[in-house]
Amino acid sequence: GIQVEQSPPDLILQEGANSTLRCNFSDSVNNLQWFHQNPWGQLINLFYIPSGTKQNGRLSATTVATERYSLLYISSSQTTDSGVYFCAVALDTGRRALTFGSGTRLQVQP
Amino acid sequence: DAGVIQSPRHEVTEMGQEVTLRCKPISGHDYLFWYRQTMMRGLELLIYFNNNVPIDDSGMPEDRFSAKMPNASFSTLKIQPSEPRDSAVYFCASTHSGRGTDTQYFGPGTRLTVL
Repeated sequence: GIQVEQSPPDLILQEGANSTLRCNFSDSVNNLQWFHQNPWGQLINLFYIPSGTKQNGRLSATTVATERYSLLYISSSQTTDSGVYFCAVALDTGRRALTFGSGTRLQVQP
Repeated sequence: DAGVIQSPRHEVTEMGQEVTLRCKPISGHDYLFWYRQTMMRGLELLIYFNNNVPIDDSGMPEDRFSAKMPNASFSTLKIQPSEPRDSAVYFCASTHSGRGTDTQYFGPGTRLTVL
């Protein structure tokens, strides 16, 4: 099956710092989503981004499908950004199920 | 829209008991997914439906697990008999095909503890 690797596994930031999270995947995909799992366990959609670049406030994401990676940028981090960030992909075969990476655990300190 | 609704939010049961988890997808969505999250295996697909028909159940661990979708607004995941290793958070998600995006929206999850 498809492999999804996220880096770094853990990240500690001071409030106000910027960060870049990376997601590498092993096959062509037609769906790529970034999620934030908050401390209460909820999975929050951040981006649907199988290709291209999107921005939403302090967050932005870029997927280079031909090179099989995606980046999530967090600028001016806040303590509420803490949690685990997951990248999930679906193969470009029509199978809709998402395969998740192991996540990046982010801790933003005040 | 209320989003994906799951019940119960927490379930504690004893080994050997039957457990039923419930999900109501977002209205108008034609795909419904069940995922499970554990520390050891992370987030993984159990089964998904399209128009109430099971499409891929390759992630269902064994015969103790079964899932149904009797109509477009309701699905159940049943474990009988439950075992301690089934303890996990079970998520339901839904999406609509054909709108130029396959964004899956997740419910709040059911945290299952089997003693």
